[in-house]
Amino acid sequence: DTGVSQNPRHKITKRGQNVTFRCDPISEHNRLYWYRQTLGQGPEFLTYFQNEAQLEKSRLLSDRFSAERPKGSFSTLEIQRTEQGDSAMYLCASSPGTSITDTQYFGPGTRLTVL
Amino acid sequence: GENVEQHPSTLSVQEGDSAVIKCTYSDSASNYFPWYKQELGKRPQLIIDIRSNVGEKKDQRIAVTLNKTAKHFSLHITETQPEDSAVYFCAGGSSNTGKLIFGQGTTLQVKP
Repeated sequence: DTGVSQNPRHKITKRGQNVTFRCDPISEHNRLYWYRQTLGQGPEFLTYFQNEAQLEKSRLLSDRFSAERPKGSFSTLEIQRTEQGDSAMYLCASSPGTSITDTQYFGPGTRLTVL
Repeated sequence: GENVEQHPSTLSVQEGDSAVIKCTYSDSASNYFPWYKQELGKRPQLIIDIRSNVGEKKDQRIAVTLNKTAKHFSLHITETQPEDSAVYFCAGGSSNTGKLIFGQGTTLQVKP
């Protein structure tokens, strides 16, 4: 499967714990995006990378959230000191070029449940 | 701030009828407007998009129109089929920021 992949697919954690998610984009895609989606809502932009550079980060994003794409390939999203409000589907998407007009291909998501 | 409003939140039509979903955006710098379809339990998939220098675009039974002056754009699906049933999201994107802002979604139900 050459699409975007995300791991794990499901994560259950206790409040206060740290979690890390991984996204593997389509090979050689330059841009990688992270979104959060809650039930009945559209994807909410979190951050994006162009190669290894993090170019934009949502102002709504707490400093408990951090993302990396160290070699310009896979990316990780870490949430520290999780809260129940962090429960959501975390989606990753990648696009081939360096423009907003390039199609974003989404991964299957990681569903986080914070107890 | 950046915002995309989408209406209606739910839409039910008979098979063969047309469906229209409308979105408005607030960021004047937005220049790219994709539409995504998300089936239950699946990832969003792009179905059509339009750039700000174009007023209308069609792809078989799907069309999108853009009114930059009014800051609104619409998705039109003709001859709807049961497999069109899904949640549809509009989004607005800006080359300045590189980010897509999604609407809240419209759940479309096509009754056989």
